[in-house]
Amino acid sequence: DAGITQSPRHKVTETGTPVTLRCHQTENHRYMYWYRQDPGHGLRLIHYSYGVKDTDKGEVSDGYSVSRSKTEDFLLTLESATSSQTSVYFCAISAPEREAFTGELFFGEGSRLTVL
Amino acid sequence: KQEVTQIPAALSVPEGENLVLNCSFTDSAIYNLQWFRQDPGKGLTSLLLIQSSQREQTSGRLNASLDKSSGRSTLYIAASQPGDSATYLCAVLISGTYKYIFGTGTRLKVLA
Repeated sequence: DAGITQSPRHKVTETGTPVTLRCHQTENHRYMYWYRQDPGHGLRLIHYSYGVKDTDKGEVSDGYSVSRSKTEDFLLTLESATSSQTSVYFCAISAPEREAFTGELFFGEGSRLTVL
Repeated sequence: KQEVTQIPAALSVPEGENLVLNCSFTDSAIYNLQWFRQDPGKGLTSLLLIQSSQREQTSGRLNASLDKSSGRSTLYIAASQPGDSATYLCAVLISGTYKYIFGTGTRLKVLA
């Protein structure tokens, strides 16, 4: 178990409301990622972080922002949720500090978001 | 642009059968390839990681091979069991980046 906790695990919200998903890791990995998983599209990268305060966009970043103020926490914010953002969101981590980089990726259990 | 394809999308086999899942990618400039298992409503569990310089990796009844030049990887499952029923995904890490590209998965059902 890679020590990744996502919260909340389930959330139902209304269109136009802000939503923040949290990913917390206890493994001191340098890189953190947010993906969304949708039927027919597989896993798509939203944003990722390669260090504290260092983030970059993925392929489906519109409508999402992220922040990483501490190594262990990576937040995903939907400023104004839309129905198209109904999905399962996964956090992933890689590159443990003080270990050789292998590129192995570890996932959290997911956060199921429904936007009505 | 790197694309990862997994065929078939779904597979149903009787218990005890040996089976092969396929993963293909369009750009050979990869750092590694990773196979995952995903159970319904759960996250992805890492099964095998193959570095670009390696040809195969084994773990128990699982064996994964990598042919970078042809853009293919296979996951071999020996003596399949009903507990192997899950979705299997492959992903490649693009060389020189921190980005992973995923296939859409093969949904496996092993019948008792």
